[in-house]
Amino acid sequence: GESVGLHLPTLSVQEGDNSIINCAYSNSASDYFIWYKQESGKGPQFIIDIRSNMDKRQGQRVTVLLNKTVKHLSLQIAATQPGDSAVYFCAENTWGSYIPTFGRGTSLIVHP
Amino acid sequence: ETGVTQSPTHLIKTRGQQVTLRCSSQSGHNTVSWYQQALGQGPQFIFQYYREEENGRGNFPPRFSGLQFPNYSSELNVNALELDDSALYLCASSLKGPNSEQFFGPGTRLTVL
Repeated sequence: GESVGLHLPTLSVQEGDNSIINCAYSNSASDYFIWYKQESGKGPQFIIDIRSNMDKRQGQRVTVLLNKTVKHLSLQIAATQPGDSAVYFCAENTWGSYIPTFGRGTSLIVHP
Repeated sequence: ETGVTQSPTHLIKTRGQQVTLRCSSQSGHNTVSWYQQALGQGPQFIFQYYREEENGRGNFPPRFSGLQFPNYSSELNVNALELDDSALYLCASSLKGPNSEQFFGPGTRLTVL
């Protein structure tokens, strides 16, 4: 069936490095994507979103890239900090239906 | 902090029992969604309530039911608990209806023995 998945379950980086977390999706009807951050003991927290009519969107220290041709999106975190350590989920939606379908998640570990 | 609270934080039940989990949304948040998150997995949508009516449901059996109250609180009820129901249960509320950003609570960790 249709699914959202992540390539790497764990990503370890050094403080100050840039991090890239990847996500593949297979539902061609999805046109709205969200990245969430989930810290230990907390619920998912919205980071950034992107609609399918865009291929790049930037926030504070984060950039999301969307490649609709290969159904892939990525989250780039600049100058990664220890506070960025968390599990990151990509989620897909159909615009107008705010019920995201989550992928499995990638654990980001930032070493000081 | 999102302002969404859940209780209890942790809960242990035995197979066959019933459980009620509670969520308190921010004032004015008229939409609440419930998710089940198994260990190492992403959250899975259970159902959503908008203005006290069920507004959508995921692939969960009828023994999962919910209520939303006028004071913006809500509850998730699970009957006839099974071992596979062990998970983190998250609620998420929205201010501007079902098609607006969701704010998640910290979750309730349910263990079924």
